[in-house]
Amino acid sequence: EAGVAQSPRYKIIEKRQSVAFWCNPISGHATLYWYQQILGQGPKLLIQFQNNGVVDDSQLPKDRFSAERLKGVDSTLKIQPAKLEDSAVYLCASSLEAGGDWDEQYFGPGTRLTVT
Amino acid sequence: SQKIEQNSEALNIQEGKTATLTCNYTNYSPAYLQWYRQDPGRGPVFLLLIRENEKEKRKERLKVTFDTTLKQSLFHITASQPADSATYLCALEDYGGSQGNLIFGKGTKLSVKP
Repeated sequence: EAGVAQSPRYKIIEKRQSVAFWCNPISGHATLYWYQQILGQGPKLLIQFQNNGVVDDSQLPKDRFSAERLKGVDSTLKIQPAKLEDSAVYLCASSLEAGGDWDEQYFGPGTRLTVT
Repeated sequence: SQKIEQNSEALNIQEGKTATLTCNYTNYSPAYLQWYRQDPGRGPVFLLLIRENEKEKRKERLKVTFDTTLKQSLFHITASQPADSATYLCALEDYGGSQGNLIFGKGTKLSVKP
């Protein structure tokens, strides 16, 4: 079974530029998550999708961050304009939504963003 | 608000010893707690989940305990090996969030020396 795919793996941009990250979850997984992991910290949830609908985006800085999952499969996270403090690893995860009280989350390798 | 702490940023132990990592939480009574492993340049990988009504869970050389009175979970790796070197994260379900939303600790970086 293929894992969660993310691209690019690395990105360096200057502040005030825009950037986009792509994620393709495990086939059949209904739920998709985007996390931000700053160096030395644990992952912090930015947004959760179930199929193509947003379930939780309460921690997404909506003035500069946006995300979409148009067909309920792959997803794009965008930052515009980027700030220095956006330097982090952006992780995508997916889960099956099997109907229990929890679902195992499968993480991709992440995209390391450096804003200079 | 919920707070989750992993007391040690780093833990160095000798091969063959038991590694014990600690996770404490406050302002919360979680239904379950999860442990993940993260290697450099990779995403976290799920290891174990323990529920509030379970005192202990085991998987091969891994053992997790959950003390809801102390609001603490301990993660043990017995007969540790250099290949166990990684960062270990604990995570709780976000009480105020949607099902599946997790709050992660900062992690403990474990180094096992041969």
